[in-house]
Amino acid sequence: SQQGEEDPQALSIQEGENATMNCSYKTSINNLQWYRQNSGRGLVHLILIRSNEREKHSGRLRVTLDTSKKSSSLLITASRAADTASYFCATGQGAQKLVFGQGTRLTINP
Amino acid sequence: EPEVTQTPSHQVTQMGQEVILRCVPISNHLYFYWYRQILGQKVEFLVSFYNNEISEKSEIFDDQFSVERPDGSNFTLKIRSTKLEDSAMYFCASSSKGLTDTQYFGPGTRLTVL
Repeated sequence: SQQGEEDPQALSIQEGENATMNCSYKTSINNLQWYRQNSGRGLVHLILIRSNEREKHSGRLRVTLDTSKKSSSLLITASRAADTASYFCATGQGAQKLVFGQGTRLTINP
Repeated sequence: EPEVTQTPSHQVTQMGQEVILRCVPISNHLYFYWYRQILGQKVEFLVSFYNNEISEKSEIFDDQFSVERPDGSNFTLKIRSTKLEDSAMYFCASSSKGLTDTQYFGPGTRLTVL
């Protein structure tokens, strides 16, 4: 079954630096979505990249997708304290469900 | 901006009791979902719902669980006889075009079973 797995599990950087998180999966996908979750709160959708796309931008976010390697990366540029959260990739294929990874806990230090 | 809403934000219940978690999806969306997240664990799919019927469900979604769209706006998840292990955050989501489109999540209902 498809599975999104992120690495690293935890990342701590200084404010202003760039943060890169990676996601790997095991099966073919229609799309891959990245979500953010602040502690104990809901999931906020960040970006969706389709299987025929290689790169997508949204503000300070840049997502890449390499279907040959079954991997994706999320880059947050010029990080801010407010970016502190957990970040999840989620993959879906054919059927209706999204499969989430364990997430990367990102901490931005002021 | 339209958003998915959920009520209550926190539900405390005794083991064996029935609970109903409520969701109002985004109004023009046609696909509805429930997920759960046990504390410290990953988000897990429970069920998807389209055209007034379940389109897919996970192994977690056993006979104790049911979903319903009782009117044109609400989407509910019922747990008939809660167990301690049902304690989790339950998220409702909706999308306009199914899996090819973004799923928008609600803020969640934290269910605590005592």
